[in-house]
Amino acid sequence: NAGVTQTPKFQVLKTGQSMTLQCAQDMNHNSMYWYRQDPGMGLRLIYYSASEGTTDKGEVPNGYNVSRLNKREFSLRLESAAPSQTSVYFCASSEVRGANTGELFFGEGSRLTVL
Amino acid sequence: AQRVTQPEKLLSVFKGAPVELKCNYSYSGSPELFWYVQYSRQRLQLLLRHISRESIKGFTADLNKGETSFHLKKPFAQEEDSAMYYCALPTGGGNKLTFGTGTQLKVEL
Repeated sequence: NAGVTQTPKFQVLKTGQSMTLQCAQDMNHNSMYWYRQDPGMGLRLIYYSASEGTTDKGEVPNGYNVSRLNKREFSLRLESAAPSQTSVYFCASSEVRGANTGELFFGEGSRLTVL
Repeated sequence: AQRVTQPEKLLSVFKGAPVELKCNYSYSGSPELFWYVQYSRQRLQLLLRHISRESIKGFTADLNKGETSFHLKKPFAQEEDSAMYYCALPTGGGNKLTFGTGTQLKVEL
């Protein structure tokens, strides 16, 4: 099992360019997430998808769009990249287990630099 | 608002010394708290959750509702414990987690 796979692992963009980060999971999880990790800020939720066909904003959604293409795939798009979006992006998936919060399984991360 | 606070960005200890990584939370109701860990060149992964009351890799964490804390402890630090540690709690439903800012633990020989 690959778990959660993210592509690309590294990307350098110029201000104003667009790009899409791809994420796929093979654990048949319903929920998927995109977080960004910045020094001193920890992990902040950008968008999440509780199930196929639904998406919702997280803490820092501005400048991003997402698509839950199917149960396996959840992509994050930057329409017009800005230097403030320089970060490490993590995709994660989880399954709700009754009333308890399910464990999040993370991808390896995608390091994005916007010049 | 529900949030977690990790007051230390960096904690440096010697091998064999006790470790305590601090986490305080703000939450209305009974919280469900987690510690996640990111070792160098590895994925972020769950270390432990308070409802399981387990000891993982020698680490334990007790929920103290009076002090609103969920500190991570280990009696004797090992070199392989060096990593970034995040405290987290669920917020807003939908199985979402809010993470603290993280503490980098460095275990020195």
